[in-house]
Amino acid sequence: DAMVIQNPRYQVTQFGKPVTLSCSQTLNHNVMYWYQQKSSQAPKLLFHYYDKDFNNEADTPDNFQSRRPNTSFCFLDIRSPGLGDAAMYLCATGRVHEQYFGPGTRLTVT
Amino acid sequence: AQSVTQLDSQVPVFEEAPVELRCNYSSSVSVYLFWYVQYPNQGLQLLLKYLSGSTLVESINGFEAEFNKSQTSFHLRKPSVHISDTAEYFCAVSGNDYKLSFGAGTTVTVRA
Repeated sequence: DAMVIQNPRYQVTQFGKPVTLSCSQTLNHNVMYWYQQKSSQAPKLLFHYYDKDFNNEADTPDNFQSRRPNTSFCFLDIRSPGLGDAAMYLCATGRVHEQYFGPGTRLTVT
Repeated sequence: AQSVTQLDSQVPVFEEAPVELRCNYSSSVSVYLFWYVQYPNQGLQLLLKYLSGSTLVESINGFEAEFNKSQTSFHLRKPSVHISDTAEYFCAVSGNDYKLSFGAGTTVTVRA
């Protein structure tokens, strides 16, 4: 089945230790999104790619970076995680106005 | 820019009773409306969408929503809920920039 895959599902990292979350898709959509979702809150858009064109939200901290080496894969890099970065990170792909979400990666910062 | 208001943060409901989740939006351009469901520790699943055409849209598991342009609403309803409908529900709107603006979410708890 065509889908959005996120690895790992659960990630524990230490304060200040860089971490990378990955996302892949078999839907062949040209738009990919990264969201941060904290407990009991709505998802918050961090950035998105239209093909290789990177679009950063104005309030996304510099600590967050992203790479998209090809259509299928997208990575979220957190350079120096703080305790406030503990959250669920959701990847989504887009076709026109519809978005399809992966299962998410829950990040814990110790 | 567009925004979404979900009027109820928590909705407790008994099994087999009806439920309605309210959603109002604001937008200065054409809108595309969505309801997503999120189960604990999972991603968001698209429940139903309004892009154009009939203002009443239905999902395969018994939910329906009606787009009301004059009232700027997209309320979600189900005539008879199951325990398995316990989840977080998000209303979202998309404009011409292909970004989703989410409401704050409504937690539905179905009790036996």
